Amino acid sequence: GAVVSQHPSRVICKSGTSVKIECRSLDFQATTMFWYRQFPKQSLMLMATSNEGSKATYEQGVEKDKFLINHASLTLSTLTVTSAHPEDSSFYICSATGEGGDTQYFGPGTRLTVL
Amino acid sequence: TQLLEQSPQFLSIQEGENLTVYCNSSSVFSSLQWYRQEPGEGPVLLVTVVTGGEVKKLKRLTFQFGDARKDSSLHITAAQPGDTGLYLCAKKSGNTPLVFGKGTRLSVIA
Repeated sequence: GAVVSQHPSRVICKSGTSVKIECRSLDFQATTMFWYRQFPKQSLMLMATSNEGSKATYEQGVEKDKFLINHASLTLSTLTVTSAHPEDSSFYICSATGEGGDTQYFGPGTRLTVL
Repeated sequence: TQLLEQSPQFLSIQEGENLTVYCNSSSVFSSLQWYRQEPGEGPVLLVTVVTGGEVKKLKRLTFQFGDARKDSSLHITAAQPGDTGLYLCAKKSGNTPLVFGKGTRLSVIA
């Protein structure tokens, strides 16, 4: 099956710094990638949808200037959390779909802890 | 906005018991998926149901899609500690992103 990887798997940073999370599709071309956030003991909440070469579409309540998404190639999307604060600490999960967009393949997630 | 309701939210049972978790919506699904997620990992797809009334089996797991395609259930027979995890249903409509339910956190005690 299709494989999606994320890097890093976990990151700890100081408040006010920026953190970049990478999401890669390893064996298929991801025309669309999704970014989800999951707080402890809660479900996955969609943050944004990105299509290769175009601007991301953000869900209501998600600050586009704080969560910068770049989908510059068909195998890589990045999420940058700018000026991170402790309330941004969460589990960030990406998923990707290929052409046709029928199935979303999920990455293993990135645990972000902001001190 | 969560469009899917899952129940129960938490379930703790003894090894060998049976259990059922439910996923409900006020609107019709074009298709519904069930995922299982372990702590610190991404969700893993278990099954996709598309047709109203459909029943799919995956070893000790039985998935059912309601006739009206507004609800679904997951039944686990003879639960084992390895079944412990967060079970999520997700609604799929065309090429739109998945919308997840709040999940059922299952703990199976040996």
